[in-house]
Amino acid sequence: EVQLVESGGGLVQPGGSLRLSCAASGFTFSKYWMFWVRQAPGKGLVWVSYIRSDDFITTYADSVKGRFTISRDNAKNTLYLQMNDLRAEDTAVYYCARGMWPYSFDCWGQGTLVTVSS
Amino acid sequence: QSALTQPPSASGSPGQSVTISCSVTSSDVGGYNYVSWYQQHPGKAPKLMIYEVSKRPSGVPDRFSGSKSGNTASLTVSGLQAEDEADYYCCSYAGSNNPYVFGTGTKVTVL
Repeated sequence: EVQLVESGGGLVQPGGSLRLSCAASGFTFSKYWMFWVRQAPGKGLVWVSYIRSDDFITTYADSVKGRFTISRDNAKNTLYLQMNDLRAEDTAVYYCARGMWPYSFDCWGQGTLVTVSS
Repeated sequence: QSALTQPPSASGSPGQSVTISCSVTSSDVGGYNYVSWYQQHPGKAPKLMIYEVSKRPSGVPDRFSGSKSGNTASLTVSGLQAEDEADYYCCSYAGSNNPYVFGTGTKVTVL
């Protein structure tokens, strides 16, 4: 069974940092592009970042560029999101998702809540 | 890149059909056939329902169908069932600079 399990969310003060993890199982992780998508409370889905499977090229939404870093460890079947300089507007549930070519997401984790507040 | 425009709500009685629209600028949906649709129940993760405008992943009932005309993509749910009550989001590839844009979301209510 394909499974994605996020962890690492929590309460952090503005300007702080947090690292999210997404443990993958049930598929060959190294062959898939992986994504982070977030959802602020009561709001819609917003794409955050992705990392390609082969060359590890990354892309970010303008709202997080320069503050967030996506990475992956194919040996550990794990996706990461390092979030620095966090702002109140980064408060959201963060989902990791598996990319399905072309340009859709066919498997999602249950999400992890990040709250940025003093 | 702004979110794609969806109606905030739609409703229908059991057995009826409901269609949700997803309107975009020509640089989004209009130019690509990479529209997908996601169903999200409260407190749950999104689920892929339609990809590449009209294709259904394995396990998604054929009551769900997708289409596109010009700058508007649509999701139709036929034969509404109680479990179809959820939020639905469209998503489109929007070019290399900001590649993925989601819609504003539509809450479907089964009356």
